[in-house]
Amino acid sequence: NAGVTQTPKFRILKIGQSMTLQCTQDMNHNYMYWYRQDPGMGLKLIYYSVGAGITDKGEVPNGYNVSRSTTEDFPLRLELAAPSQTSVYFCASSYRGGTGSLEQYFGPGTRLTVT
Amino acid sequence: QQQVKQSPQSLIVQKGGISIINCAYENTAFDYFPWYQQFPGKGPALLIAIRPDVSEKKEGRFTISFNKSAKQFSLHIMDSQPGDSATYFCASYTGGGNKLTFGTGTQLKVEL
Repeated sequence: NAGVTQTPKFRILKIGQSMTLQCTQDMNHNYMYWYRQDPGMGLKLIYYSVGAGITDKGEVPNGYNVSRSTTEDFPLRLELAAPSQTSVYFCASSYRGGTGSLEQYFGPGTRLTVT
Repeated sequence: QQQVKQSPQSLIVQKGGISIINCAYENTAFDYFPWYQQFPGKGPALLIAIRPDVSEKKEGRFTISFNKSAKQFSLHIMDSQPGDSATYFCASYTGGGNKLTFGTGTQLKVEL
C-alpha cells in the first residue's frame, strides 16, 4: 500500500491564482483531513470528511474548499490565493471502527508559497 | 483558541540523556492522547498514545505519563539518541470525526 499520497510536493502561486491540492489514500479509510502547518503553530485542521459526500469545517477553513466524491480522494481547493496561505499542507486519513486505533496517517505534505 | 499547550518549544539533550516534553489540555472531554513524531520534510507519524484510564504507558524508550486531575501529560524519551532528533507534537482527541487538536510542537535535538 502507498498509504496517503499528495501532489504536488511544491508549488509557487501568485496572489489571486487558484489551485487544487490532491490527496489520495489506498487504505479504505473513511475519515480524511486537511491540515496546514506553520512554524511554531503546530497543525491546524482546515477541513475534514467522515465519508464520501460528507465534509465539515475545521479550525481554519476560510479561503479553502473541499469535496469528497470517493472514499479514496479528498482534494483541497484554494481560491484567490493570498500570502497568508503560504504554508505546508498535510492530508491525513484514519479509520473509525469499534474501539480500534484512532491513529491518523499523514501524507508527505505539499509546500505552498504564495507571492 | 489553543486547547493543548505544549512546552518547551525546543530542547537540546545529550546522547543518553532523558528528553521530557510536557502538554496541558483544557477540555475534560478529551479521551485519547497521542504523540506524533515528525522528521524534516516528512509528515507526522504516530509514536505512542494513551487513554485516561491509565497513568502511564511505555513502549521501548518512550513513555507517556498522564495526570488526569492536573489535565497534563508528558512524553519521556529515555537514553535519547541522535536519531530521535525530530519535532514532537502532543495531541488530544475530541471525538466527532476522530478530530485531533495538536500542540504547537517541540523541536528536539540530541547531541553526541
